[in-house]
Amino acid sequence: KAGVTQTPRYLIKTRGQQVTLSCSPISGHRSVSWYQQTPGQGLQFLFEYFSETQRNKGNFPGRFSGRQFSNSRSEMNVSTLELGDSALYLCASSGGLALISFRTDEQFFGPGTRLTVL
Amino acid sequence: QQQVKQSPQSLIVQKGGIPIINCAYENTAFDYFPWYQQFPGKGPALLIAIRPDVSEKKEGRFTISFNKSAKQFSLHIMDSQPGDSATYFCAATKETSGSRLTFGEGTQLTVNP
Repeated sequence: KAGVTQTPRYLIKTRGQQVTLSCSPISGHRSVSWYQQTPGQGLQFLFEYFSETQRNKGNFPGRFSGRQFSNSRSEMNVSTLELGDSALYLCASSGGLALISFRTDEQFFGPGTRLTVL
Repeated sequence: QQQVKQSPQSLIVQKGGIPIINCAYENTAFDYFPWYQQFPGKGPALLIAIRPDVSEKKEGRFTISFNKSAKQFSLHIMDSQPGDSATYFCAATKETSGSRLTFGEGTQLTVNP
């Protein structure tokens, strides 16, 4: 099975611009979660999408948004970029059945997109 | 209430040693505690996980010890190898909250040959 794919792998933007990152989950997985990883704040949960609906959201400003398509692929968008948005953005996919089975599905992480804001 | 505190920040051991990484959580609603291993340039990968109905779980050379009353859990790596050099993250979640993980700050482990 192919793993989680994230594109692009590296991105350089300037302050004020917006950016869209893409994530293709493992085939058959319905849940996609996004995390921001920085040296100072570590790994922080952004949001989770399941069957095209956002079902969990972290404590990030509204500049961070996402969506999920019918094929489970997901995109996240950051508008009006700030220097502090420079980070590794990780996508994780899982079967997404946790709310049904009450057993947490294993999450598989992609390699991430390294965003640098200048 | 959502924090998971991890220590130490970095750890250096000799090959064959037993590094121990500790985590403490605050939210008593957490009921699933995974550990992730991350190599440079890669995303985190699930190593081992435990639920609070057991006090210890072993998978190969990796062992999780769990103390529910103290709200603490730890990872032990037996017979550590240079290939175990990586960053380790503990995490916690409430199983019915979907896929939202709260991570510890990470421990950079170096195993010298």
